Amino acid sequence: KQEVTQIPAALSVPEGENLVLNCSFTDSAIYNLQWFRQDPGKGLTSLLLIQSSQREQTSGRLNASLDKSSGRSTLYIAASQPGDSATYLCAVSPIETGNQFYFGTGTSLTVIP
Amino acid sequence: DVKVTQSSRYLVKRTGEKVFLECVQDMDHENMFWYRQDPGLGLRLIYFSYDVKMKEKGDIPEGYSVSREKKERFSLILESASTNQTSMYLCASSLFAGESRRYFGPGTRLTVL
Repeated sequence: KQEVTQIPAALSVPEGENLVLNCSFTDSAIYNLQWFRQDPGKGLTSLLLIQSSQREQTSGRLNASLDKSSGRSTLYIAASQPGDSATYLCAVSPIETGNQFYFGTGTSLTVIP
Repeated sequence: DVKVTQSSRYLVKRTGEKVFLECVQDMDHENMFWYRQDPGLGLRLIYFSYDVKMKEKGDIPEGYSVSREKKERFSLILESASTNQTSMYLCASSLFAGESRRYFGPGTRLTVL
């Protein structure tokens, strides 16, 4: 069964700093990997989707990379802002199990003004 | 713009009540999903549906049932609510199975007293 791990579990940084969130997964046979943001008590907002054939995706200040062979993805946030404070989740879609979608437990990010 | 809506943001019910949670998507997606999210356990798949009137069990289907009579609507039913079903419930949809981006609704915080 696919296992997805996110490190660190929590991160606190001063405003303006660049930061990296990590996601690792055990089975490299995936369709894609998706990064989400979740604000307290709210649903998940999709940030970036990387297909298995891609190495990275960018959206504004966010850049996500995928190294399928090593089972790793990183989410890079440039010039962090207090509004970036949230929990960030990664999830992988394994080829073997079709509709299953395995989530990491998330990284809780606090950006201090 | 993509939209997944859920019938209630907050719901309080009593033990033994029958509870309906509704989810509607406006993207003509084939696949719809119900998850629950609990602290320390992450997101767990309850049921999913890949077509009208079709459903499959996820990881934790016990105590739940689902209904999909129309493509845009997917209902989660708690036949007899229990306190251990107090949780955040999240609905999602995607166009295809594993390959597609998943979109989530805002969530329903259900409390069973």
